[in-house]
Amino acid sequence: DGGITQSPKYLFRKEGQNVTLSCEQNLNHDAMYWYRQDPGQGLRLIYYSQIVNDFQKGDIAEGYSVSREKKESFPLTVTSAQKNPTAFYLCASSNPIDGSYEQYFGPGTRLTVT
Amino acid sequence: QQPVQSPQAVILREGEDAVINCSSSKALYSVHWYRQKHGEAPVFLMILLKGGEQKGHDKISASFNEKKQQSSLYLTASQLSYSGTYFCGDQIRGVSGGGADGLTFGKGTHLIIQP
Repeated sequence: DGGITQSPKYLFRKEGQNVTLSCEQNLNHDAMYWYRQDPGQGLRLIYYSQIVNDFQKGDIAEGYSVSREKKESFPLTVTSAQKNPTAFYLCASSNPIDGSYEQYFGPGTRLTVT
Repeated sequence: QQPVQSPQAVILREGEDAVINCSSSKALYSVHWYRQKHGEAPVFLMILLKGGEQKGHDKISASFNEKKQQSSLYLTASQLSYSGTYFCGDQIRGVSGGGADGLTFGKGTHLIIQP
């Protein structure tokens, strides 16, 4: 089955530690995205990548880093510089080259930092 | 700047209709609509592209006024399964404009359908 996987579903970390969230897709999509969602809020764009080895900052990139070494993978690192890292993190992909702009979301990772 | 959605919440009886509005301050390439159930990922519903093209569900329709940068989502004869939070997301560039950017989402409209 084609889709997007994110792991783990729940993640707990101590303050001051970096943590990397996994996102893998087997849809052969060129574009991938990371969003953050806080309770009662919409999704906010962290980073996105339109092609391998290239990525752009979104609206709230400070304290986060990404890499795009393979088409199917787009990991997000939440660094200790992110002041409020506790949130629901969602990865998405799309294939705009085909004219299909709809974004498919993974199940999300709920990160709690204490 | 994120788009503004209205209303913030609406409660309906099964079978009633609902309209959710989304207003942006930017010149848009497209407007996307998603529905999210509690604790789950958003699910794609509809996309409206500049120029009038639409892609989406059979039982859900939407409009996009390019001049006013406004979109509305129409849910007719609502079913219990329509309950959830609806988000609009706007996009200022498509592939031909240099790239497909990520979406800027509104804060959502909570829809509750009662039997």
